[in-house]
Amino acid sequence: EVQLVESGGGLVQPGGSLRLSCAASGFTFSSYWMHWVRQAPGKGLVWVSRINSDGSSTSYADSVKGRFTISRDNAKNTLYLQMNSLRAEDTAVYYCARSPDYGDYAFVNWFDPWGQGTLVTVSS
Amino acid sequence: SSELTQDPAVSVALGQTVRITCQGDSLRSYYASWYQQKPGQAPVLVIYGKNNRPSGIPDRFSGSSSGNTASLTITGAQAEDEADYYCNSRDSSGNLNWVFGGGTKLTVL
Repeated sequence: EVQLVESGGGLVQPGGSLRLSCAASGFTFSSYWMHWVRQAPGKGLVWVSRINSDGSSTSYADSVKGRFTISRDNAKNTLYLQMNSLRAEDTAVYYCARSPDYGDYAFVNWFDPWGQGTLVTVSS
Repeated sequence: SSELTQDPAVSVALGQTVRITCQGDSLRSYYASWYQQKPGQAPVLVIYGKNNRPSGIPDRFSGSSSGNTASLTITGAQAEDEADYYCNSRDSSGNLNWVFGGGTKLTVL
């Protein structure tokens, strides 16, 4: 069974740091791009970041650029999101999701599957 | 503001057909994908590409695209289709990032 399981969420003070993990199983992790998507309470989905299959290329939403770092360990089948300088507006459920390795210019792409999400709360 | 625009809410009578739309400049070049999200659950892919359904998605779900508009159609809506629906595609700024529409809450009457 293809599965993604996030962990690492919790309560953190503004300005603090947190590292999220996403453990993958049931597929060849190193053959897929991976993404983080977040959802603030009662709000819509927001794409956060992506990493290519070998970890050599990353991209970020403007709202997190310079504060968040996406990485992966293909030997451990695990995706990470290092979040620094956290703000109240980063409070959200963070999902990891898989996409096919079609490169940056593919005209078709999709996210499937998604993990169950991990809640990050930034508050004093 | 989102670069993909969706109607916030749509309703449909049980068994009838409903179309949920998504507008954005990037849709002229990139296909949309569509996700269903029920309360307290993770999103689920329902349509991708020209009109492709993942395994397990009922064939009452279909997709189409014309110009800058992508559409998700549910033919014969069921009570269990009541959910939030999000479109996704690449953004139009040239940085090749991804963007979601604001979501459409579907109510089945």
